[in-house]
Amino acid sequence: KAGVTQTPRYLIKTRGQQVTLSCSPISGHRSVSWYQQTPGQGLQFLFEYFSETQRNKGNFPGRFSGRQFSNSRSEMNVSTLELGDSALYLCASSWDRGTGTQYFGPGTRLTVL
Amino acid sequence: KNEVEQSPQNLTAQEGEFITINCSYSVGISALHWLQQHPGGGIVSLFMLSSGKKKHGRLIATINIQEKHSSLHITASHPRDSAVYICAVNTGNQFYFGTGTSLTVIP
Repeated sequence: KAGVTQTPRYLIKTRGQQVTLSCSPISGHRSVSWYQQTPGQGLQFLFEYFSETQRNKGNFPGRFSGRQFSNSRSEMNVSTLELGDSALYLCASSWDRGTGTQYFGPGTRLTVL
Repeated sequence: KNEVEQSPQNLTAQEGEFITINCSYSVGISALHWLQQHPGGGIVSLFMLSSGKKKHGRLIATINIQEKHSSLHITASHPRDSAVYICAVNTGNQFYFGTGTSLTVIP
């Protein structure tokens, strides 16, 4: 069974631009969560999607948004990029919400110049 | 205020040693996860716990819900165990992460 895939793996953008990252979960998994990892703040929860609905959201500004499609694939979008958005963005999928074991993708490393 | 505290932050061990990493949390949880992250970023979920104890190979994870504390033990440590170990809690609405424990096992 294929693992969680994320595209692109690396991305360089400039301040003010927007970016869309994609996550394909493990087949059959319905929950997709997104996380941001930076050296200063560590791992932080962005949001969780289940059955095309955002179920939970972390403490991030509205510039960070996402969606989930009927095939469980998910995208996250960051608008008006800031230097501080440079980070590793990870998605994880699980069969169910809440107590399901999470399987992480390799991440997308975003650099904002 | 950190919802999840891990200790130690850094740990160096000789191959074969028994290792313990601790995690304390301050929120009500539905589950606690132990994650392993190798250089390069890939994260692997080691355990998901809501009570008691789990064992997988040389790894053992325990949780005490009343004391809001969990431990990850590595028996007979090996250089390939060198990684960052991260404790994460799921409150049902949010995930909170510890800052991680960087483990180096020396041959």
